[in-house]
Amino acid sequence: NAGVTQTPKFQVLKTGQSMTLQCAQDMNHEYMSWYRQDPGMGLRLIHYSVGAGITDQGEVPNGYNVSRSTTEDFPLRLLSAAPSQTSVYFCASSYLGDNEQFFGPGTRLTVL
Amino acid sequence: QQPVQSPQAVILREGEDAVINCSSSKALYSVHWYRQKHGEAPVFLMILLKGGEQKGHEKISASFNEKKQQSSLYLTASQLSYSGTYFCGTAGYNNNDMRFGAGTRLTVKP
Repeated sequence: NAGVTQTPKFQVLKTGQSMTLQCAQDMNHEYMSWYRQDPGMGLRLIHYSVGAGITDQGEVPNGYNVSRSTTEDFPLRLLSAAPSQTSVYFCASSYLGDNEQFFGPGTRLTVL
Repeated sequence: QQPVQSPQAVILREGEDAVINCSSSKALYSVHWYRQKHGEAPVFLMILLKGGEQKGHEKISASFNEKKQQSSLYLTASQLSYSGTYFCGTAGYNNNDMRFGAGTRLTVKP
């Protein structure tokens, strides 16, 4: 099992550009989530999904879109990147929301 | 609302014990604990559920006081490998919206 994979590992964007962070898991987990991690702020939930076709907002959803067309994939879209979105982004999955979460290796995003 | 962790940082010698606390202002159904090493992803340690069920490591224990909405993580006889940042995450019943604390940086020295 590859577990949770994320691409790319590093990305530099200019303000206003759009991009999609990819996340995939091969553990047949229903629950998937996206977090951003900033120094001193811990992990903050952006969006989550409890199954294919179902998504919901977390603590800091503004500026981000998600979709869940399959159980395996949960991409995060930045519509118009801003410097405030410079962060490390982690994708996670679990059997259910209230179980051990498996985190991907992260994507370090810099917006200039 | 994010749970509050204390202390923010702690430095230990090998073999010493440490306690990390996590408190929330809202009713909790579960508390999750994760450890993250520098430049790596968080790794699961333990879940405590309302009602007392506990799942996790043998060498690291934790408590969950539902009435006080607090949890504590106990690391005994610390090893160098315990170094990292510890995060607690909290969620209410049927609530998939997990909130994490700001973290406690633990450094274990030889």
